[in-house]
Amino acid sequence: AQKITQTQPGMFVQEKEAVTLDCTYDTSDPSYGLFWYKQPSSGEMIFLIYQGSYDQQNATEGRYSLNFQKARKSANLVISASQLGDSAMYFCAMRELNYGGSQGNLIFGKGTKLSVKP
Amino acid sequence: DTAVSQTPKYLVTQMGNDKSIKCEQNLGHDTMYWYKQDSKKFLKIMFSYNNKELIINETVPNRFSPKSPDKAHLNLHINSLELGDSAVYFCASSYPAGGLSGANVLTFGAGSRLTVL
Repeated sequence: AQKITQTQPGMFVQEKEAVTLDCTYDTSDPSYGLFWYKQPSSGEMIFLIYQGSYDQQNATEGRYSLNFQKARKSANLVISASQLGDSAMYFCAMRELNYGGSQGNLIFGKGTKLSVKP
Repeated sequence: DTAVSQTPKYLVTQMGNDKSIKCEQNLGHDTMYWYKQDSKKFLKIMFSYNNKELIINETVPNRFSPKSPDKAHLNLHINSLELGDSAVYFCASSYPAGGLSGANVLTFGAGSRLTVL
């Protein structure tokens, strides 16, 4: 079974509008971390936002926020006021603390390609 | 200053050759990783080292051998290259952030695109 599922292979959003990128995860580990990365066409992986399984509040970083619904095992990324530069692949990832500990690897979803229209 | 640097950025080679990709990080991180990104953009862990010790070794052919001379370097050597090895290889590093949920952000290098002909 997939640990991280991103069901939207591609998304379009109008510039200045908000967009939600879906991510669901599967784990029985009570301690885990959820991450979102952006990969523009230039290829580098850019960290956006992190949410811990014990965090009470949803994480926010500038225009990025993470809609964390623990019971549903979902960690959707919300980008507000989309910009043309937001066009990229977006990856959701998870680290399970009891597998590999705090230095364990990240398990990535298959990504969502976001295209921002002017 | 580049935090995680990989060389070469592009590598084109023939089947059967042996090649290496080098990775260096100047962040003082303890843990380094190699990920492979296939043509469908799927990222998968290959290896992870902590202070020069191997801690993760996923199901990767023996032709792939990581080497960590010190905690700032993690090189990837590939023997007898095959067509299926064509991919982008990412090096990454992280520093333990403590806490219960493993909030260690991986900092990635720019990637090394390997093409096997």
